[in-house]
Amino acid sequence: KQEVTQIPAALSVPEGENLVLNCSFTDSAIYNLQWFRQDPGKGLTSLLLIQSSQREQTSGRLNASLDKSSGRSTLYIAASQPGDSATYLCAVHTSGTYKYIFGTGTRLKVLA
Amino acid sequence: DTAVSQTPKYLVTQMGNDKSIKCEQNLGHDTMYWYKQDSKKFLKIMFSYNNKELIINETVPNRFSPKSPDKAHLNLHINSLELGDSAVYFCASSHTLSQTGLRNTIYFGEGSWLTVV
Repeated sequence: KQEVTQIPAALSVPEGENLVLNCSFTDSAIYNLQWFRQDPGKGLTSLLLIQSSQREQTSGRLNASLDKSSGRSTLYIAASQPGDSATYLCAVHTSGTYKYIFGTGTRLKVLA
Repeated sequence: DTAVSQTPKYLVTQMGNDKSIKCEQNLGHDTMYWYKQDSKKFLKIMFSYNNKELIINETVPNRFSPKSPDKAHLNLHINSLELGDSAVYFCASSHTLSQTGLRNTIYFGEGSWLTVV
């Protein structure tokens, strides 16, 4: 059974810092992994999707990496801004299933 | 145009009532989902439909009944509401889960906040 964990659960950093969010999953047989952002009272916005054959994906100041064999993904945020404050969730699509399993989320606060 | 829209956004109702949440996607996707987010913000899948057919029912009480009249709609009906049903319910869709790749990006609605009193 796939389990997805995110560390840390919460993070507070000063503006301008580079930071890394971690996502671990127990079953490495995955199709892809997706990172989302959730603002308070809002739905989820897809940030990056990494296919199982890829090692990383980049979008602007965001870079997501995937190490399938070790069951890990990281989301790197460069030069953080107060507008980056949100909860970040990773979700894994395990091979042979019709669902995404979500991690526990990291609540990020970037201080001005 | 909103890609995945769900109504109502807020719903306050008494225990024992029956209520429905509607969801529509205009992305032409084959697969639709209902997720429940609890008070600890943990997202858990409830149902998955592919081309109007139920694919996943994640041990959800049978008071919850999804209905997919067509590929673009997946409604959630809840009977005999209980206090523990209070949560945020998210509808989502993706192109198809039978393939890998960028077409599997999953898109979420804004959520429906259900409060049972």
